[in-house]
Amino acid sequence: NAGVTQTPKFQVLKTGQSMTLQCAQDMNHNSMYWYRQDPGMGLRLIYYSASEGTTDKGEVPNGYNVSRLNKREFSLRLESAAPSQTSVYFCASSEFRGLSEKLFFGSGTQLSVL
Amino acid sequence: GEDVEQSLFLSVREGDSSVINCTYTDSSSTYLYWYKQEPGAGLQLLTYIFSNMDMKQDQRLTVLLNKKDKHLSLRIADTQTGDSAIYFCAESPPSGTYKYIFGTGTRLKVLA
Repeated sequence: NAGVTQTPKFQVLKTGQSMTLQCAQDMNHNSMYWYRQDPGMGLRLIYYSASEGTTDKGEVPNGYNVSRLNKREFSLRLESAAPSQTSVYFCASSEFRGLSEKLFFGSGTQLSVL
Repeated sequence: GEDVEQSLFLSVREGDSSVINCTYTDSSSTYLYWYKQEPGAGLQLLTYIFSNMDMKQDQRLTVLLNKKDKHLSLRIADTQTGDSAIYFCAESPPSGTYKYIFGTGTRLKVLA
């Protein structure tokens, strides 16, 4: 059972380059999320998809776009990378059990923008 | 506004108890969570507590919730070197949203 799979694990970009981070989950979860993690700032929500066919902005959406390709896959795109986007990116998905919605995380993508 | 605060670092000796603290602001949170992040990995759910509970025990883990003071703590008994990690507390999303609120994380270092 793979859970949440992210690719790539590491990426180095030059300022202005574009790239797409891929995420897939095999748990049949409805909701999927993209977070970034920066030192001393915890996790900040970039975008989320409550269900297939919908996406919404989170706390820090500027400079990013997302696509919920199907129920399994949720990608994050940087159209023109900036050094401020150097971070560790996590994809997550959630199941709904009553009011307890637990998050399941991928192992992360470490992105450096030079 | 919503905010979840944690101290950044904690160092304990192997075999001692660790207590990681968290304060939160949204009193309407239904669930409060503790996640563990090991080096180079994503976050894994460690335990969670329903907001109408005061305490939850799960093997070496004890979660205490003081709703009046909006204070959450995680106690790890007999701390082992494998417990070295970053621990995040989090609040369940406010009603009608999907926005979990995470603390900044506490880095626990266990000394042999």
